[in-house]
Amino acid sequence: GEDVEQSLFLSVREGDSSVINCTYTDSSSTYLYWYKQEPGAGLQLLTYIFSNMDMKQDQRLTVLLNKKDKHLSLRIADTQTGDSAIYFCAEDSGGGADGLTFGKGTHLIIQP
Amino acid sequence: DVKVTQSSRYLVKRTGEKVFLECVQDMDHENMFWYRQDPGLGLRLIYFSYDVKMKEKGDIPEGYSVSREKKERFSLILESASTNQTSMYLCASSLNGGLIRGDTGELFFGEGSRLTVL
Repeated sequence: GEDVEQSLFLSVREGDSSVINCTYTDSSSTYLYWYKQEPGAGLQLLTYIFSNMDMKQDQRLTVLLNKKDKHLSLRIADTQTGDSAIYFCAEDSGGGADGLTFGKGTHLIIQP
Repeated sequence: DVKVTQSSRYLVKRTGEKVFLECVQDMDHENMFWYRQDPGLGLRLIYFSYDVKMKEKGDIPEGYSVSREKKERFSLILESASTNQTSMYLCASSLNGGLIRGDTGELFFGEGSRLTVL
């Protein structure tokens, strides 16, 4: 079955760049996603990338996709305290009504 | 903006009680989902529905049932709550159009319902 793996914790200093990594197994994914969950809240889509793209940039966020290695990363430049959250990687496993497959989430911890 | 509303943010129930978790979306989405979220386990899919009165089991359906009588509403039911069902429950919805409709497959989530079973 499909599997999405990501490390559980990442600690960075305020102002540094954060890089959150994810690997997935299903090569039929059309889109890959990064969701952000702030404490006590639901998940919100942060960004997504189409599977035929290598990179997508959106202000402080850069998504890199290596389809050959099935590796996705999210880089947050100039990390701020407001970026403290859980970040989930997800894939659509080729689309369909059964939704997305999520990783377990990476807790991003910001040190002052 | 798409809005997915879960009726209760926090609930405390006793073992054996019947529990209803309600979810409503206002964007005419075909697909709706119930996940539970537990520390270290991420999101696990309980049930999903791709149309009114249709339901499909997800990865962990045991101990749960669902109801979708109207397109905008998807209810999760715990017939007899147990302590191991203490969790955060997340409802989500999405379009079902595929690339033709410009659908990115994005799931829109509610704020979550934190259930404690004593």
